[in-house]
Amino acid sequence: SQQGEEDPQALSIQEGENATMNCSYKTSINNLQWYRQNSGRGLVHLILIRSNEREKHSGRLRVTLDTSKKSSSLLITASRAADTASYFCATDANTGFQKLVFGTGTRLLVSP
Amino acid sequence: DTAVSQTPKYLVTQMGNDKSIKCEQNLGHDTMYWYKQDSKKFLKIMFSYNNKELIINETVPNRFSPKSPDKAHLNLHINSLELGDSAVYFCASSLGTSPLHFGNGTRLTVT
Repeated sequence: SQQGEEDPQALSIQEGENATMNCSYKTSINNLQWYRQNSGRGLVHLILIRSNEREKHSGRLRVTLDTSKKSSSLLITASRAADTASYFCATDANTGFQKLVFGTGTRLLVSP
Repeated sequence: DTAVSQTPKYLVTQMGNDKSIKCEQNLGHDTMYWYKQDSKKFLKIMFSYNNKELIINETVPNRFSPKSPDKAHLNLHINSLELGDSAVYFCASSLGTSPLHFGNGTRLTVT
């Protein structure tokens, strides 16, 4: 079964608002990554948080990781129409080789 | 442009045919991957090669055969295509365990 589950499945907000997406996973991990996928395109890496980190920032992105709850959240602040995309979390279980297991994704729609 | 490029972008074919998808990366990465994304956007790893050696081989029908002629290329050949093979196939690459760089996908439609 899939490793990561994300909620909400879909999120619709206005420009300027914040968007929060959550990811839950099932097994212990080495790191957790977030990717963005624009329609008809490949995934683009956004941010990586290691299992010994609790929070990480990159520009308007803030990621948290709670390994005790096996969950992570991605916050996009001051959203823009260009942030419209699907967002996926992916976990690396530290098997020696990178074998990312992706979540189900959150479709974010940011309206002008 | 430095990128992961895969061809073709679209592939429409009939059941029973054999087809190939090609992938090339010019990022100097040593690890390449094939992922399959189904109609519900669920993304699952199929294969991974490190320095031309197969390191990950998920439960994929043996009709799917990856080939890595060198570190910069990873091709995917599919025999006897079935309706259920319809999906978007993504090639990706990484330097060791660094984050993945994805191609833009090949949408395969089997009729």
